[in-house]
Parts: sequence; structure tokens; C-alpha cells
Amino acid sequence: QKEVEQDPGPLSVPEGAIVSLNCTYSNSAFQYFMWYRQYSRKGPELLMYTYSSGNKEDGRFTAQVDKSSKYISLFIRDSQPSDSATYLCAMTITSGTYKYIFGTGTRLKVLA
Amino acid sequence: GAVVSQHPSWVICKSGTSVKIECRSLDFQATTMFWYRQFPKQSLMLMATSNEGSKATYEQGVEKDKFLINHASLTLSTLTVTSAHPEDSSFYICSASPYGYTFGSGTRLTVV
Repeated sequence: QKEVEQDPGPLSVPEGAIVSLNCTYSNSAFQYFMWYRQYSRKGPELLMYTYSSGNKEDGRFTAQVDKSSKYISLFIRDSQPSDSATYLCAMTITSGTYKYIFGTGTRLKVLA
Repeated sequence: GAVVSQHPSWVICKSGTSVKIECRSLDFQATTMFWYRQFPKQSLMLMATSNEGSKATYEQGVEKDKFLINHASLTLSTLTVTSAHPEDSSFYICSASPYGYTFGSGTRLTVV
């Protein structure tokens, strides 16, 4: 079993839809959770960084962490064609090492 | 702030030759840098952790004699792929600490 599981997609949605992206993990020691956006042939760009269970909102993006279920989500409201990219979840045990474990990424396509 | 620059963005080399990839922190000092490899439609896999002034720590299965890492200053780490072969063709990405969640733009290596 992989430490981090993420549906690779692809996921196609119409413009304006709410997108839900999810990851599950098996290691209960993970404490810090990140969501990255990666465009083709580019490095990942940090979108959200969370520590505690609950929701964190930043503009059209909401990150949700449920440590009891070992489940994290990223919601994108009012999705735009420019949101089309691969979204990777990442997690780590402590903030000091920054040794991240990544999901495989979900490819998202927002149709105009 | 927290900009990580990676160079070159792409490189083609002949089998058997060596290639050097640079990772620079532009506006902060990076005591630790991380090197990842990403194959098409796969997630980022940590190759090694590079610490300024000391030997790099390699992940299991990564050949340290093939992937030479040098972190001679607080703003520069280099990854040299020695005696490259077609199976080394991949997307190589660095990230830097203390903003360990900031990635470079990646280097696409093609070995022919």
C-alpha cells in the first residue's frame, strides 16, 4: 500500500464548476499537508499549506484535512480553464525536514 | 520572496556523457535542498537531500555515484548525472529549505 493515494484522473469539468480533489494516506504521523499545482513541464507551485484538521480557505481554494480519517481534500470554486493542471497533494511528518511524500497527482481539465 | 531558480530548463545529451543541473535560492539562504525526479504521469520521487557543507543523503535505490550532488554554498546546489543513459531521461526538480515547499521550475533531461 502506498503511503499516499491519489486518483490520477483525468478529471474534466465545465467552467464554473466546483472541483473536489482528494488524497488518502496511511501514516498517522503525517502532520503537515500541502497542495501543489503543476502545469506541464513546470515545477510544482504551492497552493495551500495546512497543519490542523479542519478547513483553510484562500480565495477560490479551500483545503480540508480530516486526520481521523486520514483524508485531505482541495476544493476549487468557480473553476476556470486556467485551473487546468495536475494537482498534487504532499505531506510530511515535521516541518523541519521538509521531506515530503507526494501523491501521484490528479490531472484536471476545465472546459470553457 | 522565496524564489528557487533551476537551470537549464531542458537539456539533451548523448549517452555516456555527464550533465550538470543547478539549483539556486535567489532571495534566501538554503541550508538544505532537495532533488526530485518525476517520470511522465508519475509523482515526484525524492532522490536526495543536500546539506550545505556536508555530504548528501540519498534515498534508497538512488545511486550516489551516478547522481553526484554538491552543495558548496548556501545558495547553490548542483546535481550531476554522470555517464547518462536513456533510462535517466526524466524531469528533475529541486526544492529548497527553509522554504522547503518552494520548487524550482525543473529540468527536462533527454539522453539520446
